[in-house]
Amino acid sequence: SQQGEEDPQALSIQEGENATMNCSYKTSINNLQWYRQNSGRGLVHLILIRSNEREKHSGRLRVTLDTSKKSSSLLITASRAADTASYFCATEQGAQKLVFGQGTRLTINP
Amino acid sequence: EADIYQTPRYLVIGTGKKITLECSQTMGHDKMYWYQQDPGMELHLIHYSYGVNSTEKGDLSSESTVSRIRTEHFPLTLESARPSHTSQYLCASSGDRGRGSQPQHFGDGTRLSIL
Repeated sequence: SQQGEEDPQALSIQEGENATMNCSYKTSINNLQWYRQNSGRGLVHLILIRSNEREKHSGRLRVTLDTSKKSSSLLITASRAADTASYFCATEQGAQKLVFGQGTRLTINP
Repeated sequence: EADIYQTPRYLVIGTGKKITLECSQTMGHDKMYWYQQDPGMELHLIHYSYGVNSTEKGDLSSESTVSRIRTEHFPLTLESARPSHTSQYLCASSGDRGRGSQPQHFGDGTRLSIL
């Protein structure tokens, strides 16, 4: 069964605006990770947040984790055209196996 | 960018053929993974390995098999390809620095089409 569910499935914004994507999951996790996938390419790791962390920053990325609600959000500030991609959350429950959500397709319009 | 390579990038082949998808990494990672991804959909783990001579089936049942004879190499084989095997196959690896979870590094995938 699918562990992560992402919302929205697709998001289209203007360059310079902020983009927020949400991820919900069902069971206890060790950590939650966010990945980016450009069209026709593999996934690129963005950020990992452990179950005992609540917020993490990396450049223009901000990730939050609420284990009581079993949810996470990814915020991309000051979006650029190059941010156009699909974004996936992945939860690790044990033994470094990841379960991926369906992803959010983000389009940044110039 | 991570040093993990998949070949071929694209493969169109007829039903019944034997196929091997190659995956190699130069990072010395112990853990390697194969995922199947249909267009616009999530990734499903089909095989993984925690080291040489270690292979396990993933969460999604697959008719493919894998081997791990060398640390850097994790090929996936389909003995007799069928149209239902048409998909994108992504290989990944991760290290273990003794500090818990590490991110996975992905290849660019093989897009497989079975006619």
